[in-house]
Amino acid sequence: RKEVEQDPGPFNVPEGATVAFNCTYSNSASQSFFWYRQDCRKEPKLLMSVYSSGNEDGRFTAQLNRASQYISLLIRDSKLSDSATYLCVVNGAAGGFKTIFGAGTRLFVKA
Amino acid sequence: GAVVSQHPSRVICKSGTSVKIECRSLDFQATTMFWYRQFPKQSLMLMATSNEGSKATYEQGVEKDKFLINHASLTLSTLTVTSAHPEDSSFYICSARLGQGDTDTQYFGPGTRLTVL
Repeated sequence: RKEVEQDPGPFNVPEGATVAFNCTYSNSASQSFFWYRQDCRKEPKLLMSVYSSGNEDGRFTAQLNRASQYISLLIRDSKLSDSATYLCVVNGAAGGFKTIFGAGTRLFVKA
Repeated sequence: GAVVSQHPSRVICKSGTSVKIECRSLDFQATTMFWYRQFPKQSLMLMATSNEGSKATYEQGVEKDKFLINHASLTLSTLTVTSAHPEDSSFYICSARLGQGDTDTQYFGPGTRLTVL
């Protein structure tokens, strides 16, 4: 089992749609969680951190479920510019700082 | 957010040459930088962790003699691909860690696309 797993997609949605991604992680000792966005042939960019209480940034909402060991990202009112690959990132484990990237979920938003 | 630069952005070289890639944190000091490699349609793969003033820690399967890492200062880490071959062609991305705890985030450089002919 991979340490961080994501549905690769692609998710094809129309503009204005709501879309949700999940990501599961295997190490219960993981400490912090993030969603990054990567555009084609570009570096990943931090989208948002994921807190236990859940957090929202405009159209984006991230949630963490430690009991089930998954994080989620919800995008409301999708825009064409949201088309990208969304990477789930899990940091930290007992014994030190270690970052694990998911393989990413591809999103296409169509007009 | 924090800014990380990477240079060069693109390199095309002949097989057998060495290529040096620089990674700089522009507005913060990074005690730890990371080097990743990403092949087309694949996820980021950590190659090594670079700590200022000490030897880099390489991931399993990454040849330390082929991928030389130097972290000379708190704002600069370099990756040298020695005797590059076509199979080394990839997108190399560095990141710098802001902070020191387990909740820290990484900020990525824009990447270097290496093509070895």
